[in-house]
Amino acid sequence: QSALTQPASVSGSPGQSITISCIGTSSDVGGHNLVTWYQQYPGKAPKLMIYDVTKRPSGVPNRFSGSKSGNTASLTISGLQAQDEADYYCCSYEGINSLYVFGTGTKVIVL
Amino acid sequence: QVQLVESGGGVVQPGGSLRLSCTVSGFTFSSYGMHWVRQAPGKGLEWLTFIKHDASEKYYTDSVKGRFTVSRDDSKSTLYLQMNTLRGDDTAVYYCAKDGGISGACYFDYWGQGILVTVSS
Repeated sequence: QSALTQPASVSGSPGQSITISCIGTSSDVGGHNLVTWYQQYPGKAPKLMIYDVTKRPSGVPNRFSGSKSGNTASLTISGLQAQDEADYYCCSYEGINSLYVFGTGTKVIVL
Repeated sequence: QVQLVESGGGVVQPGGSLRLSCTVSGFTFSSYGMHWVRQAPGKGLEWLTFIKHDASEKYYTDSVKGRFTVSRDDSKSTLYLQMNTLRGDDTAVYYCAKDGGISGACYFDYWGQGILVTVSS
């Protein structure tokens, strides 16, 4: 099972909005509303940011939002802040070769 | 507060074995499924395995199927990962993660700090 496809990096200035895409197939991203997004700082464990495509766990700022269209899920960060500079990974239920599959990861750079 | 602490990592020769442990506190271990996820140096996350709360079902990704075995001891609030026939591409930081209890979702709400496994001669 191949990893979901994400851009290697996305950049933006403070206050701007950026969107990270996560491209899968009809077997994973497109097959159900079970896409999750994680934020990871260097040397740290990932942190859950979005689940079930659009839902935010308690404590996650509403600047973070998720969406999905067909086989592509997206994470949007509005009002970009310096502390948002990190790696972001999508994850989806797959259920054929593996229960879950992660995306390739995207480094967010705040200019 | 919820804590997950991995142990048992280190350097092992190709073909060797290693057992990782993940000791948890701050929640009722026996009520939740648990996962192992790894991250090779400079690379992305890879989900490895899941064990249900009652150990009735276990799932593995293809790359570790037949080589790695997940288990749990609820009396010790500890999750294990037995890794056999290790290869160089198994070199990674290994994380244990608590399942969030949302059926089918890739929902890992708490993670350990990670433990490094290096496979090298």
